[in-house]
Amino acid sequence: EMQLVESGGGLVKPGGSLRVSCAASGFTFSIAWMSWVRQAPGKGLEWVGRIKSKTSGGTPDYAALVKGRFTISRDDSTDMLSLQMTSLNTEDTAVYYCVREGSAYGFHSLDMWGQGTMVTVSS
Amino acid sequence: QSALTQPPSASGSPGQSVTISCTGTSSDVGGYNYVSWYQQHPGKVPKLIIFAVNERPSGVPDRFSGSKFANTASLTVSGLQAEDEADYYCTSYASSGSLVFGGGTKLTVL
Repeated sequence: EMQLVESGGGLVKPGGSLRVSCAASGFTFSIAWMSWVRQAPGKGLEWVGRIKSKTSGGTPDYAALVKGRFTISRDDSTDMLSLQMTSLNTEDTAVYYCVREGSAYGFHSLDMWGQGTMVTVSS
Repeated sequence: QSALTQPPSASGSPGQSVTISCTGTSSDVGGYNYVSWYQQHPGKVPKLIIFAVNERPSGVPDRFSGSKFANTASLTVSGLQAEDEADYYCTSYASSGSLVFGGGTKLTVL
């Protein structure tokens, strides 16, 4: 069964850091582009960033709001995706989804989603 | 990159059709055929229902269809059913390399 399972969410103080992870299984992770999408409570979806597959360069792209504060990385040996978040502020409070991008149904479609992990930034 | 513009709400009676618009710019919606639509029921994970403007993943009913003209993409739900009541989001690839989402549309089946 194909699945994405996020972990590492929790409560962090403003200005703090947190790392969330995503374990992939059931598909060839190494050739997948992977994205993070977040959803603040009661709000819409927001793309955070992605990391391309190694065969596509392995480089990350970020949304303007998080560039310089968030870092996306991958470990193809363990099928793990990570999101390192620094200088967190209350506006970063959201459910963070690990998402597969453009594998099954065309470029830049988000075709598989994890259940999400909640990150709360509060003093 | 600014968010794509969707109406906050839409509604229709069972059996009717409803269309949700998604307006961007020539740097996103108008410039690429990489528009996707997602359905999200309350408390659930989003689900891909349209990709590449007008293609449906396997298992998605053909009541859902997509189109695009210039900088505006549209999702049409025909033969509305109660289970179609959900939030719908569009997204597009943008020239910056990012993905940009619409603000979401809450579809109510009357």
